[in-house]
Amino acid sequence: QKEVEQDPGPLSVPEGAIVSLNCTYSNSAFQYFMWYRQYSRKGPELLMYTYSSGNKEDGRFTAQVDKSSKYISLFIRDSQPSDSATYLCAMSRYSGGSNYKLTFGKGTLLTVNP
Amino acid sequence: DTGVSQNPRHKITKRGQNVTFRCDPISEHNRLYWYRQTLGQGPEFLTYFQNEAQLEKSRLLSDRFSAERPKGSFSTLEIQRTEQGDSAMYLCASSSEPGEGGNTIYFGEGSWLTVV
Repeated sequence: QKEVEQDPGPLSVPEGAIVSLNCTYSNSAFQYFMWYRQYSRKGPELLMYTYSSGNKEDGRFTAQVDKSSKYISLFIRDSQPSDSATYLCAMSRYSGGSNYKLTFGKGTLLTVNP
Repeated sequence: DTGVSQNPRHKITKRGQNVTFRCDPISEHNRLYWYRQTLGQGPEFLTYFQNEAQLEKSRLLSDRFSAERPKGSFSTLEIQRTEQGDSAMYLCASSSEPGEGGNTIYFGEGSWLTVV
């Protein structure tokens, strides 16, 4: 079993839909949770960063972390064609004075159709 | 542009040749990371620098790979005697000192390597 599991999709939705992306993980030591967006042949762009459990909202994006279930989610409201990309979840634990070693999911390919 | 900068963006090389990638982190970020990403997979951790000290290397980093950060600023990743299995995107990332809630890690655009 991989430490981080993410459904690779692909996921196709109409413009304006609410998108739900999810990851599960097995390592209970993970404390830091991130979502990155990656356009084709580009580097990952940080979208959301959450420390420990709870919700975080930024514009159309909401990140949720449920450590008891080892489950994290990213919701995108009013999705736009420009949101079409691969979404990567990533997580890490505190080690060596930092939370530097990220473990990523495989990424979910999202297409938002006009 | 004050983001993480990587060069070259694309490199095609013949098997057995050596290649070197350069990374310039966000200014004043003292922590620098290298990751590797293959098609359909998420990035995988390779190595980590705090200033000029290389503090951790993944077992993915075989002895053909060497990374340096000589003055605690830019970094280079060299791959010797390249193999077709080295074809991937090599990502550099950087971050500042962690606070109570950890620190956020910012990635560059990546350097694509194709070994033919």
